[in-house]
Amino acid sequence: NAGVMQNPRHLVRRRGQEARLRCSPMKGHSHVYWYRQLPEEGLKFMVYLQKENIIDESGMPKERFSAEFPKEGPSILRIQQVVRGDSAAYFCASSPTKDGGRGTQYFGPGTRLLVL
Amino acid sequence: QQQVKQSPQSLIVQKGGIPIINCAYENTAFDYFPWYQQFPGKGPALLIAIRPDVSEKKEGRFTISFNKSAKQFSLHIMDSQPGDSATYFCAAAGGTSYGKLTFGQGTILTVHP
Repeated sequence: NAGVMQNPRHLVRRRGQEARLRCSPMKGHSHVYWYRQLPEEGLKFMVYLQKENIIDESGMPKERFSAEFPKEGPSILRIQQVVRGDSAAYFCASSPTKDGGRGTQYFGPGTRLLVL
Repeated sequence: QQQVKQSPQSLIVQKGGIPIINCAYENTAFDYFPWYQQFPGKGPALLIAIRPDVSEKKEGRFTISFNKSAKQFSLHIMDSQPGDSATYFCAAAGGTSYGKLTFGQGTILTVHP
């Protein structure tokens, strides 16, 4: 059973460009979570999604950031008009459908975003 | 009230030592407390987790102790090895925001041979 997959693993963008981060959950998982980790800091929750629904977006910045988890395909975290402060590692996690969002969260390897 | 405070920030032990990492929380609605291990350049990996109906849980060399009244929990690593050198994060979830893990700040553990 493959783990949580994220791509790209590294992404370099110039200020003002858009960044798209993709996450494919583990098989049997329909709950997806995005976290951001700034250098030398812990992980901060951004958003929790199920298929076609945003359950909790309390950690998402109000502007420039959006997330989706379509019926088909991976979850996407989109950052528009990136700024240097967006440089961080972005981790996706997934949990089993059967646990209804209360299950163990398994993390992907992350996408390291660098904004020049 | 959503914070989880973790200490120490860094910890150095000799091989065979028993490092202890502590976490404290405020939100009494939290009912799930996992610990994650992270190596440089990798994603966090679940080590062990506990719910407040027990005061201790052991898996291999890793033990969680939980004190509900004090709202504190800790990770003990028995017979630590150099391969345990990593960053350890405690986390908590529960209540109306059960899908949201609130992480501590992390502890960088170094185990010397």
